[in-house]
Amino acid sequence: KNEVEQSPQNLTAQEGEFITINCSYSVGISALHWLQQHPGGGIVSLFMLSSGKKKHGRLIATINIQEKHSSLHITASHPRDSAVYICAVGWWSRLTFGEGTQLTVNP
Amino acid sequence: GAVVSQHPSRVICKSGTSVKIECRSLDFQATTMFWYRQFPKQSLMLMATSNEGSKATYEQGVEKDKFLINHASLTLSTLTVTSAHPEDSSFYICSARGPGTGMSYEQYFGPGTRLTVT
Repeated sequence: KNEVEQSPQNLTAQEGEFITINCSYSVGISALHWLQQHPGGGIVSLFMLSSGKKKHGRLIATINIQEKHSSLHITASHPRDSAVYICAVGWWSRLTFGEGTQLTVNP
Repeated sequence: GAVVSQHPSRVICKSGTSVKIECRSLDFQATTMFWYRQFPKQSLMLMATSNEGSKATYEQGVEKDKFLINHASLTLSTLTVTSAHPEDSSFYICSARGPGTGMSYEQYFGPGTRLTVT
């Protein structure tokens, strides 16, 4: 069993839909990261969470430390949101990455 | 937000040659930088952790003589792939730890370097 598991692995949505990507982890962490990787490979850090909830534009990330679970929500999805979304959990400097969720948003 | 750059963005080299990849923190001082490798359809894997002014710490299974890491300043770390072989072809990504405090900290990722060894 992977230390970090994401679901779903692939997600196709229509423009405007509300999207949720889930991340469960089995190790103790000091922080959880949500990353976005575009087809060219470049990675953008979306959020770093250690508790609660964060919001940036149409993106919302939540974490439940007791349940070892985090969700990334995208409201009013747009084709430009199409990318791989990666959950990574960290203890001090070490990050362990999930396998990513491939999101495709169709116009 | 903090910006991390990598150079080159992609490189093609012949088997047996060496390739250097640079990772720079553009607007903050990074005491720690991390090097990751990503094979197609796989997750990022940590290769090594680099602290400014000291030797890098390599993950198990990563050859330190093959992947030379130098972190000579607070804004620059380099990864040199020595005597590259086709199996070294991969996407190499660096990240830099920003000026966070306490138990929480930010890692800022570079855009990555695609290495192809022919």
